[in-house]
Amino acid sequence: NAGVTQTPKFQVLKTGQSMTLQCAQDMNHEYMSWYRQDPGMGLRLIHYSVGAGITDQGEVPNGYNVSRSTTEDFPLRLLSAAPSQTSVYFCASRQGAGETQYFGPGTRLLVL
Amino acid sequence: TQLLEQSPQFLSIQEGENLTVYCNSSSVFSSLQWYRQEPGEGPVLLVTVVTGGEVKKLKRLTFQFGDARKDSSLHITAAQTGDTGLYLCAGRYSGGSNYKLTFGKGTLLTVNP
Repeated sequence: NAGVTQTPKFQVLKTGQSMTLQCAQDMNHEYMSWYRQDPGMGLRLIHYSVGAGITDQGEVPNGYNVSRSTTEDFPLRLLSAAPSQTSVYFCASRQGAGETQYFGPGTRLLVL
Repeated sequence: TQLLEQSPQFLSIQEGENLTVYCNSSSVFSSLQWYRQEPGEGPVLLVTVVTGGEVKKLKRLTFQFGDARKDSSLHITAAQTGDTGLYLCAGRYSGGSNYKLTFGKGTLLTVNP
Protein backbone atom coordinates (compact mmCIF):
# COMPACT_ATOMS: atom_id res chain seq x y z
CA ASN A 1 0.00 0.00 0.00
CA ALA A 2 1.94 3.03 -1.30
CA GLY A 3 -0.58 5.65 -0.13
CA VAL A 4 -0.39 8.90 -2.12
CA THR A 5 2.43 9.16 -4.64
CA GLN A 6 3.52 12.23 -6.58
CA THR A 7 5.85 12.67 -9.53
CA PRO A 8 8.16 14.34 -10.22
CA LYS A 9 9.79 15.30 -6.91
CA PHE A 10 11.53 18.31 -8.43
CA GLN A 11 11.00 20.26 -11.62
CA VAL A 12 12.47 23.38 -13.18
CA LEU A 13 10.48 25.10 -15.91
CA LYS A 14 10.92 28.17 -18.03
CA THR A 15 8.17 30.76 -18.18
CA GLY A 16 5.53 29.71 -20.69
CA GLN A 17 6.27 26.00 -20.60
CA SER A 18 3.56 23.52 -19.72
CA MET A 19 3.72 20.43 -17.58
CA THR A 20 1.64 17.93 -15.66
CA LEU A 21 2.15 17.02 -12.03
CA GLN A 22 1.09 13.45 -11.39
CA CYS A 23 -0.77 12.20 -8.33
CA ALA A 24 -1.97 8.69 -7.61
CA GLN A 25 -3.49 6.93 -4.62
CA ASP A 26 -4.10 3.24 -4.02
CA MET A 27 -6.54 3.53 -1.10
CA ASN A 28 -9.70 3.76 -3.25
CA HIS A 29 -10.41 7.22 -1.84
CA GLU A 30 -13.18 9.28 -3.39
CA TYR A 31 -11.85 12.71 -2.40
CA MET A 32 -8.62 14.06 -3.89
CA SER A 33 -7.20 17.56 -3.84
CA TRP A 34 -4.24 19.70 -4.84
CA TYR A 35 -2.65 22.31 -2.56
CA ARG A 36 0.25 24.67 -2.97
CA GLN A 37 2.47 25.68 -0.08
CA ASP A 38 4.37 28.94 -0.11
CA PRO A 39 6.49 30.47 2.67
CA GLY A 40 4.32 32.39 5.08
CA MET A 41 1.11 31.43 3.25
CA GLY A 42 0.28 27.98 4.56
CA LEU A 43 -1.48 25.46 2.36
CA ARG A 44 -3.94 26.78 -0.20
CA LEU A 45 -6.43 24.63 -2.08
CA ILE A 46 -6.08 24.74 -5.88
CA HIS A 47 -8.62 22.18 -7.16
CA TYR A 48 -10.38 19.20 -5.71
CA SER A 49 -12.44 16.21 -6.79
CA VAL A 50 -15.15 14.29 -4.97
CA GLY A 51 -15.10 11.36 -7.37
CA ALA A 52 -14.19 10.24 -10.87
CA GLY A 53 -15.47 12.75 -13.42
CA ILE A 54 -16.18 15.44 -10.81
CA THR A 55 -13.83 18.36 -10.15
CA ASP A 56 -14.21 21.83 -8.67
CA GLN A 57 -12.15 24.92 -8.00
CA GLY A 58 -10.51 25.73 -4.74
CA GLU A 59 -9.09 28.97 -3.40
CA VAL A 60 -6.38 29.59 -6.06
CA PRO A 61 -7.36 27.81 -9.31
CA ASN A 62 -6.13 30.28 -11.92
CA GLY A 63 -3.43 28.88 -14.20
CA TYR A 64 -4.16 25.26 -13.32
CA ASN A 65 -6.36 22.56 -14.82
CA VAL A 66 -7.37 19.18 -13.46
CA SER A 67 -9.25 16.09 -14.56
CA ARG A 68 -10.29 12.91 -12.79
CA SER A 69 -10.84 10.07 -15.24
CA THR A 70 -10.17 7.33 -12.67
CA THR A 71 -10.51 7.02 -8.91
CA GLU A 72 -6.76 6.53 -8.57
CA ASP A 73 -5.31 9.44 -10.55
CA PHE A 74 -5.68 13.21 -10.25
CA PRO A 75 -3.15 15.08 -12.44
CA LEU A 76 -2.59 18.83 -12.19
CA ARG A 77 -1.73 20.69 -15.38
CA LEU A 78 0.09 23.99 -15.67
CA LEU A 79 -0.82 25.34 -19.10
CA SER A 80 1.70 28.19 -19.29
CA ALA A 81 4.00 28.33 -16.29
CA ALA A 82 4.68 31.66 -14.57
CA PRO A 83 7.24 32.53 -11.88
CA SER A 84 4.33 33.07 -9.47
CA GLN A 85 3.68 29.34 -9.71
CA THR A 86 7.01 28.54 -8.09
CA SER A 87 5.92 26.56 -5.05
CA VAL A 88 5.67 23.18 -3.40
CA TYR A 89 2.64 21.25 -4.57
CA PHE A 90 0.91 18.62 -2.45
CA CYS A 91 -1.71 16.14 -3.49
CA ALA A 92 -4.00 14.67 -0.84
CA SER A 93 -6.75 12.10 -0.63
CA ARG A 94 -9.37 10.87 1.83
CA GLN A 95 -12.31 8.52 1.80
CA GLY A 96 -14.97 10.95 2.95
CA ALA A 97 -15.44 14.57 3.95
CA GLY A 98 -14.66 14.00 7.62
CA GLU A 99 -12.10 11.27 7.22
CA THR A 100 -8.33 11.40 7.66
CA GLN A 101 -6.61 13.21 4.82
CA TYR A 102 -3.36 11.70 3.53
CA PHE A 103 -0.79 13.86 1.79
CA GLY A 104 1.77 12.92 -0.80
CA PRO A 105 5.47 13.85 -0.42
CA GLY A 106 5.16 16.93 -2.63
CA THR A 107 6.55 18.26 -5.91
CA ARG A 108 8.94 21.20 -5.73
CA LEU A 109 8.51 23.42 -8.77
CA LEU A 110 10.73 26.30 -9.82
CA VAL A 111 9.64 28.50 -12.71
CA LEU A 112 12.35 30.72 -14.13
CA THR B 1 -12.43 34.87 3.02
CA GLN B 2 -12.30 33.09 6.38
CA LEU B 3 -8.96 33.34 8.13
CA LEU B 4 -7.33 30.96 10.53
CA GLU B 5 -4.64 32.63 12.62
CA GLN B 6 -1.85 30.62 14.20
CA SER B 7 0.52 31.87 16.87
CA PRO B 8 3.34 32.06 17.41
CA GLN B 9 4.71 31.87 13.89
CA PHE B 10 8.11 30.67 15.14
CA LEU B 11 9.08 28.99 18.42
CA SER B 12 12.53 27.84 19.51
CA ILE B 13 12.86 26.06 22.84
CA GLN B 14 15.16 23.71 24.73
CA GLU B 15 14.48 20.03 25.10
CA GLY B 16 12.35 19.35 28.19
CA GLU B 17 10.42 22.62 28.08
CA ASN B 18 6.64 22.88 27.69
CA LEU B 19 4.96 24.90 24.97
CA THR B 20 1.54 25.87 23.66
CA VAL B 21 0.57 26.95 20.15
CA TYR B 22 -2.73 28.52 19.22
CA CYS B 23 -5.20 28.51 16.36
CA ASN B 24 -7.91 31.18 16.23
CA SER B 25 -10.72 32.32 13.98
CA SER B 26 -13.66 34.70 14.16
CA SER B 27 -15.86 32.00 12.61
CA VAL B 28 -17.20 28.76 14.07
CA PHE B 29 -15.65 25.46 13.02
CA SER B 30 -17.61 22.27 12.50
CA SER B 31 -14.32 20.44 13.02
CA LEU B 32 -10.64 21.27 13.36
CA GLN B 33 -7.52 19.26 12.64
CA TRP B 34 -3.89 19.53 13.66
CA TYR B 35 -1.09 18.34 11.38
CA ARG B 36 2.68 18.08 11.75
CA GLN B 37 4.93 18.53 8.74
CA GLU B 38 8.61 17.62 8.69
CA PRO B 39 11.05 19.14 6.17
CA GLY B 40 10.66 17.71 2.68
CA GLU B 41 7.50 15.78 3.52
CA GLY B 42 3.75 16.24 3.38
CA PRO B 43 1.67 17.07 6.46
CA VAL B 44 0.58 14.19 8.68
CA LEU B 45 -2.68 14.33 10.61
CA LEU B 46 -2.29 14.31 14.41
CA VAL B 47 -5.86 14.76 15.61
CA THR B 48 -9.38 15.87 14.71
CA VAL B 49 -11.62 17.65 17.23
CA VAL B 50 -15.32 18.18 16.63
CA THR B 51 -17.01 18.98 19.96
CA GLY B 52 -16.72 22.32 21.78
CA GLY B 53 -14.60 21.90 24.91
CA GLU B 54 -13.15 18.62 23.68
CA VAL B 55 -9.70 17.61 24.93
CA LYS B 56 -7.66 14.90 23.23
CA LYS B 57 -4.30 13.55 24.25
CA LEU B 58 -1.67 11.92 22.07
CA LYS B 59 1.24 10.89 24.32
CA ARG B 60 2.85 14.24 25.33
CA LEU B 61 0.56 16.29 23.08
CA THR B 62 -2.71 17.72 24.38
CA PHE B 63 -5.24 19.25 21.99
CA GLN B 64 -8.10 21.41 23.15
CA PHE B 65 -11.08 22.73 21.20
CA GLY B 66 -12.62 25.93 22.50
CA ASP B 67 -16.13 25.87 23.94
CA ALA B 68 -17.40 28.13 21.17
CA ARG B 69 -15.52 26.11 18.50
CA LYS B 70 -13.66 29.19 17.27
CA ASP B 71 -10.24 28.33 18.64
CA SER B 72 -7.94 25.47 19.49
CA SER B 73 -4.63 24.91 21.22
CA LEU B 74 -1.86 22.33 21.12
CA HIS B 75 0.21 21.84 24.25
CA ILE B 76 3.41 19.80 24.25
CA THR B 77 4.82 18.62 27.56
CA ALA B 78 8.56 18.00 27.94
CA ALA B 79 9.38 18.69 24.31
CA GLN B 80 11.84 16.43 22.52
CA THR B 81 14.03 17.11 19.48
CA GLY B 82 11.77 14.78 17.53
CA ASP B 83 8.89 17.24 18.02
CA THR B 84 10.65 19.70 15.70
CA GLY B 85 8.49 20.54 12.69
CA LEU B 86 5.78 22.76 11.26
CA TYR B 87 2.46 22.47 13.09
CA LEU B 88 -0.59 23.33 11.02
CA CYS B 89 -4.19 23.68 12.05
CA ALA B 90 -6.97 23.26 9.50
CA GLY B 91 -10.65 23.88 9.98
CA ARG B 92 -13.89 23.08 8.29
CA TYR B 93 -16.24 25.97 8.87
CA SER B 94 -19.86 25.58 9.95
CA GLY B 95 -22.11 26.38 7.03
CA GLY B 96 -19.27 26.05 4.55
CA SER B 97 -18.37 23.30 2.13
CA ASN B 98 -18.31 19.92 3.79
CA TYR B 99 -15.15 19.15 1.84
CA LYS B 100 -12.95 22.25 1.99
CA LEU B 101 -10.36 22.68 4.70
CA THR B 102 -8.87 26.09 5.47
CA PHE B 103 -5.28 25.91 6.71
CA GLY B 104 -3.47 28.28 9.01
CA LYS B 105 0.04 29.45 8.12
CA GLY B 106 1.61 27.21 10.71
CA THR B 107 3.90 27.37 13.73
CA LEU B 108 7.50 26.37 13.04
CA LEU B 109 8.80 24.65 16.18
CA THR B 110 12.48 24.00 16.81
CA VAL B 111 13.44 21.94 19.84
CA ASN B 112 17.12 22.27 20.64
CA PRO B 113 19.08 19.53 22.42
